[in-house]
Parts: sequence; structure tokens; C-alpha cells
Amino acid sequence: DTAVSQTPKYLVTQMGNDKSIKCEQNLGHDTMYWYKQDSKKFLKIMFSYNNKELIINETVPNRFSPKSPDKAHLNLHINSLELGDSAVYFCASSHETGGTYEQYFGPGTRLTVT
Amino acid sequence: AQSVTQPDIHITVSEGASLELRCNYSYGATPYLFWYVQSPGQGLQLLLKYFSGDTLVQGIKGFEAEFKRSQSSFNLRKPSVHWSDAAEYFCAVGAREYGNKLVFGAGTILRVKS
Repeated sequence: DTAVSQTPKYLVTQMGNDKSIKCEQNLGHDTMYWYKQDSKKFLKIMFSYNNKELIINETVPNRFSPKSPDKAHLNLHINSLELGDSAVYFCASSHETGGTYEQYFGPGTRLTVT
Repeated sequence: AQSVTQPDIHITVSEGASLELRCNYSYGATPYLFWYVQSPGQGLQLLLKYFSGDTLVQGIKGFEAEFKRSQSSFNLRKPSVHWSDAAEYFCAVGAREYGNKLVFGAGTILRVKS
């Protein structure tokens, strides 16, 4: 049973395309996150949703749009892909209401824009 | 601004030797702290966490970390390293006041020589 899963694992696409990455967690958590890991392995928060409500929206181009259809899912849609969007995108989840705060990460989606 | 510093980009230790990975943070709130490990091509696995209480915390795989408020540090230790510990290690800091987003250090790559 995978706790936090992401699809696809690899995504290769051309500049200008639109793509989506899906994330699902089966931990019963109420908060989900998207992080971006660049080529130097630096991890940075992009978005956070709590009970389907956006609570963190870092300085991210508006070509990136998260969508949370329910507490267990958080998808990331990217419009007009650029070379600089190439990175590994990690989804994570945590149980804020329970006050435990540790975040569990998915396996990542490696996005390559050519 | 919140920041996390991992001063060592690479560390090489012999198998069976002890290990200490350093982490310093700068935070405007009472932090909670984490160490994650990432093996090549994998997601991040939580090693241990500190929220409050005993400043020496035990984690998985024989790792421990000590929170020192006066030094703003949360160093990771292991008494005897195994070859399978070779990976990249990330220190992360969060706080409820900042929406529980994690701020990560740049990571330390651990190499284990036999």
C-alpha cells in the first residue's frame, strides 16, 4: 500500500505544452503539498492545501495551478511549459488537525521539458 | 526570513565509523525539525522529528538527532555507518506560524567507503 503516490513518475514533454501531475494519499491526512526539487537538489514549497482550501501559495508563476478535488488528492497542472520547469516535483501530505505535522512524501515526478 | 544551513555538501565516512551531519537554522518562531533521507531516484523518507520535549530524538535505521536551542542546531548522528546509508540527507524546519511549510537545507551527500 503506497501512502503517497504520484503519476506519472516520468514526464517528458516539449516547451509550450500543458501537462498535469496527479497525487493521491491514503493516509487520511488533511493537508497536502507540492514541492519542487531543482537540478541542484534544492527543495522548495510551491503550494499547500488543507481540507481542499489553498493555504500556502509561494511565489510560483501562475502557469502552475493546483487543484484539490478532495482531501486525498492534489493535482498540479502546468500550462505553457518552459525549459526552467524541468525538475522533480514531490507531493507530500500531513495531518495538521492531529498536530503531528510531519510530512510524508511521494516518490516524485521527474519532469523534463525539451 | 527562515533558513536552514547544512554546511557540508559532501561527507565521506568509512563503513563502521560514526557519523555526524550538521544542521543550523534561523527561524522567527518555535520550530519543529526533521531529517529526511533521499536515495538516488527515490522520494524523501522521514528519519526522525523533533517537536518538543526531550532534545535527543531517536529515529529509524539507528539514527538520532539532538536539538540545541542555544546553538540553533539539529545535528544528525549515527554511531556506526552501514554502506546502505549512502544517500543524501536533508534537514528541514517548519513552524505552525508559517503554515507548516517545510524549509529545507541544501542537503548533504553521504558517501560510505568500505
